[in-house]
Amino acid sequence: GQSLEQPSEVTAVEGAIVQINCTYQTSGFYGLSWYQQHDGGAPTFLSYNALDGLEETGRFSSFLSRSDSYGYLLLQELQMKDSASYFCAVRSTGFQKLVFGTGTRLLVSP
Amino acid sequence: NAGVTQTPKFRILKIGQSMTLQCTQDMNHNYMYWYRQDPGMGLKLIYYSVGAGITDKGEVPNGYNVSRSTTEDFPLRLELAAPSQTSVYFCASSSNSGTGELFFGEGSRLTVL
Repeated sequence: GQSLEQPSEVTAVEGAIVQINCTYQTSGFYGLSWYQQHDGGAPTFLSYNALDGLEETGRFSSFLSRSDSYGYLLLQELQMKDSASYFCAVRSTGFQKLVFGTGTRLLVSP
Repeated sequence: NAGVTQTPKFRILKIGQSMTLQCTQDMNHNYMYWYRQDPGMGLKLIYYSVGAGITDKGEVPNGYNVSRSTTEDFPLRLELAAPSQTSVYFCASSSNSGTGELFFGEGSRLTVL
């Protein structure tokens, strides 16, 4: 099966940088994704890493190390609207199956 | 552009009742998924489908059934509802290439009393 671990909660102030880590155990790894979910809303896609290294999309970056079964999401220039839950998710079993981690709640304060 | 549409948005069931959550997508995606999310928790995969006529169990399939007769529709059936099935249910779809980004519906909040 698959398992993913993330910190349950992270706090930061506006303008700061925060890193949310994700470690995973899986077979047949195809890639690591990140999703954002605001309270009461649906998850929305942020990024995807299939290969080792850093992917940058605006203020958000995501990193993957397949040898360490580890990835992280980096959020820069934090804004109040970034307060949300962030989930890592692993694609395995022939790409079609996507399993989510437990989620990290990010609280951004003024 | 509708994307993924789920109905109903809210529903209260009595223990032992049955119901079907509807999900339809208009993006011609091959892959479709049902997840449940308990308060303050992550998403647990119930069932998924890689195409019409093909379904497979996820992490927590017990108490649920699915069917995929068309590319667009992926209904989730709850038989003999139990309080443990109180949750928010999300349907999602994705293509079978690239990032495999999941597009989620707005969710269906189910309470079993």
